Amino acid sequence: NAGVMQNPRHLVRRRGQEARLRCSPMKGHSHVYWYRQLPEEGLKFMVYLQKENIIDESGMPKERFSAEFPKEGPSILRIQQVVRGDSAAYFCASSPGMDQPQHFGDGTRLSIL
Amino acid sequence: GIQVEQSPPDLILQEGANSTLRCNFSDSVNNLQWFHQNPWGQLINLFYIPSGTKQNGRLSATTVATERYSLLYISSSQTTDSGVYFCAVVASGGSYIPTFGRGTSLIVHP
Repeated sequence: NAGVMQNPRHLVRRRGQEARLRCSPMKGHSHVYWYRQLPEEGLKFMVYLQKENIIDESGMPKERFSAEFPKEGPSILRIQQVVRGDSAAYFCASSPGMDQPQHFGDGTRLSIL
Repeated sequence: GIQVEQSPPDLILQEGANSTLRCNFSDSVNNLQWFHQNPWGQLINLFYIPSGTKQNGRLSATTVATERYSLLYISSSQTTDSGVYFCAVVASGGSYIPTFGRGTSLIVHP
């Protein structure tokens, strides 16, 4: 799992601030997925991206949340004007192609004060 | 969308015991993975197994796609096996988005 790098591991923000979560996929992987996990629950899909394209964002809240995967650099999940309910673990996974096994990063634990 | 149910929700074992975890899904699938989330929150790939049987050390998995279930076997359990085991499936028919079950929480006592 060390191949998918997420940072930071822990992020603390006050209500109203912005949170930026980064994910560098495994080498050779061009597909990135973001998930959110609340305590005692499974992972919920948020968004699926390929380089420079959002393929499916059906699991992402319509407001305050956005994601990108630029041609160069990591994928970014951005949460604007954070609220307490945004507190969760956010996981990124990558795969070499559609319908291929996903490999997960260690997650970012986001805490909102 | 596809429904994924895992059982049992919780399992407590003594070290050395064997166990079977089950994942039922409501529709045909292209892809099925088993993951272990350790007590530190890390997600470890166990198996990519849309059909058939695979083994890796003390762990093995079998997916019977026609009957819409998968089983994860843990033999001679160790305390390091503790954590939550998730099944994730991708439904057939054009979707490439995995749906996760709620997991089986396993505690192995020494």
